Amino acid sequence: QSALTQPRSVSGSPGQSVTISCTGTSSDVGGYNYVSWYQQHPGKAPKLMIYDVSKRPSGVPDRFSGSKSGNTASLTISGLQAEDEADYYCCSYAGSYGGVFGGGTKLTVL
Amino acid sequence: QITLKESGPTLVKPTQTLTLTCTFSGFSLSTSGVGVGWIRQPPGKALEWLALIYWDDDKRYSPSLKSRLTITKDTSKNQVVLTMTNMDPVDTATYYCAHRDYYDSGDAFDIWGQGTMVTVSS
Repeated sequence: QSALTQPRSVSGSPGQSVTISCTGTSSDVGGYNYVSWYQQHPGKAPKLMIYDVSKRPSGVPDRFSGSKSGNTASLTISGLQAEDEADYYCCSYAGSYGGVFGGGTKLTVL
Repeated sequence: QITLKESGPTLVKPTQTLTLTCTFSGFSLSTSGVGVGWIRQPPGKALEWLALIYWDDDKRYSPSLKSRLTITKDTSKNQVVLTMTNMDPVDTATYYCAHRDYYDSGDAFDIWGQGTMVTVSS
């Protein structure tokens, strides 16, 4: 089970939008609608931002949205704010193999 | 309020077996749809999915580590234990346990413990 593929880094200015992609296979991302996204600030535990591809947990701003097409899921952050600067990880259900994370993307707010 | 906390040794020697305990509160691991998973993160590197145990004692393991991992639960103590055999320096990482509730947040880990750092060194 290989890690899902994410860009190593993305950046954007305050107020702009950025999209982070997460590419897997038909055995994980493409096979199930169970993709989740996590935000991790340095030295902190990850925080769930999106689950089931596009659902937001209570308390997560609606600036965060998720989608999926085929074997690629995406996280879009609109109206970038300084506090959005963090590492972002996608994760997908992988059937009998449990789950698999992406390699992580560092978001820089310029 | 759901909380989880990892505990275990901070230092283990190569070839030893690591035993980590996740002690939780605010939910029951006998409730349908609930699970507790383990995830690790080497310093400066990505998260890695390790194992998950479900309310019905079904278990899932990372294929690459399956031969070395065992996950068990003690519902009466509100604990989940992960054992990893034959530890190697590359297993040095922060180990997290996390809560999963299918009826709340699908297959995602919605609440995480603070993590515990484990160093493998002689």
